[in-house]
Amino acid sequence: GAVVSQHPSRVICKSGTSVKIECRSLDFQATTMFWYRQFPKQSLMLMATSNEGSKATYEQGVEKDKFLINHASLTLSTLTVTSAHPEDSSFYICSASRSGANVLTFGAGSRLTVL
Amino acid sequence: AQTVTQSQPEMSVQEAETVTLSCTYDTSESNYYLFWYKQPPSRQMILVIRQEAYKQQNATENRFSVNFQKAAKSFSLKISDSQLGDTAMYFCAFMKRYGTSGSRLTFGEGTQLTVNP
Repeated sequence: GAVVSQHPSRVICKSGTSVKIECRSLDFQATTMFWYRQFPKQSLMLMATSNEGSKATYEQGVEKDKFLINHASLTLSTLTVTSAHPEDSSFYICSASRSGANVLTFGAGSRLTVL
Repeated sequence: AQTVTQSQPEMSVQEAETVTLSCTYDTSESNYYLFWYKQPPSRQMILVIRQEAYKQQNATENRFSVNFQKAAKSFSLKISDSQLGDTAMYFCAFMKRYGTSGSRLTFGEGTQLTVNP
């Protein structure tokens, strides 16, 4: 089956530093990956759509300079939270789809805590 | 734009009983997919069941089945013989049918289901 790996699962950083989260499709190629953010006891909110070899598409209200997305290969997308602040603390989840499957597989998520 | 609504923030059921989670959606699309995902305490999103809008037959996966009413834009999930491991947040989700690759998912607010022993 389709497997998506996300790393790190937990990260703690100081305010003002940058943090990178990786999302890998392990057994399939993904031209498109999606990044979601989830606050406690809330739903998943789409942040951006990551397209291999081109710029990401950000949802309204998401700062593209704060949340940098790079999709340099068909199996890897990265989300970099730049100059992190405590309000960026959240659970970040990536997802990807095998071509033709029309069903998304999710990574295990990354919990970011900014002190 | 699509919207997905889950009107039951929390539900509980006794082990071995049956429970139904509600979901309604709004869209102008004619071709789309509907999903139920579960998110247990580990927070890993797990696909429970998928329905293709052009199929009239309701999808089933073992103890999980849906009641898909396209005209009413309703998509409920029935869990039979509930098990303790079914305790999780359940999300209803909508996806436009888009080419040959997966498209974005729009999620409902979620329903926290607790199965009691």
